[in-house]
Amino acid sequence: DTGVSQNPRHKITKRGQNVTFRCDPISEHNRLYWYRQTLGQGPEFLTYFQNEAQLEKSRLLSDRFSAERPKGSFSTLEIQRTEQGDSAMYLCASSQGNRAEGTDTQYFGPGTRLTVL
Amino acid sequence: GENVEQHPSTLSVQEGDSAVIKCTYSDSASNYFPWYKQELGKGPQLIIDIRSNVGEKKDQRIAVTLNKTAKHFSLHITETQPEDSAVYFCAARNLNSGGYQKVTFGTGTKLQVIP
Repeated sequence: DTGVSQNPRHKITKRGQNVTFRCDPISEHNRLYWYRQTLGQGPEFLTYFQNEAQLEKSRLLSDRFSAERPKGSFSTLEIQRTEQGDSAMYLCASSQGNRAEGTDTQYFGPGTRLTVL
Repeated sequence: GENVEQHPSTLSVQEGDSAVIKCTYSDSASNYFPWYKQELGKGPQLIIDIRSNVGEKKDQRIAVTLNKTAKHFSLHITETQPEDSAVYFCAARNLNSGGYQKVTFGTGTKLQVIP
């Protein structure tokens, strides 16, 4: 399977704990995105990497959230001191950044569902 | 920033009938409009997209139309099948802006195809 993969698929944690999610993008894609999706809503942009550089962060990404892409391949999203409001599906997407293609299509992973008790 | 509205939020059709989902966007600079299908427990999957220099695009039973003047675009699914049941999201993006071109999603339409 050469699509975007995310681990774990589900995470249940107690309020106040730290959690870390991993995303492995499609291998030739240089752009990587994190989104958050709550029930009944579309994905909301959190942050974006071009290779290893984090170029954009949403105001939704509070100080408790941090994302890294150390070698320009996989990425991790960490949430510190989790709150019940953090419960959501966290989606990762990647794209090739091919301007010539004219669309820069984003391909999504299956997501990590976080439940904070 | 961009705001995308999507209607209806739920849609039930009989198998074989057509389904239409409509979206409006606010930023006239948006020039790329993808549609995603999300099945239960999975991430969104691109099903069709359209650029602003095209008014209509078709791929088998799926078509998308775009009215730039009115800033709305629609997804049309003909001869619906039970496997079309899913949540559909429209989105808008400005591919020409510098830096990151944010994708703004609609709130989704839950389509149920009744056998």
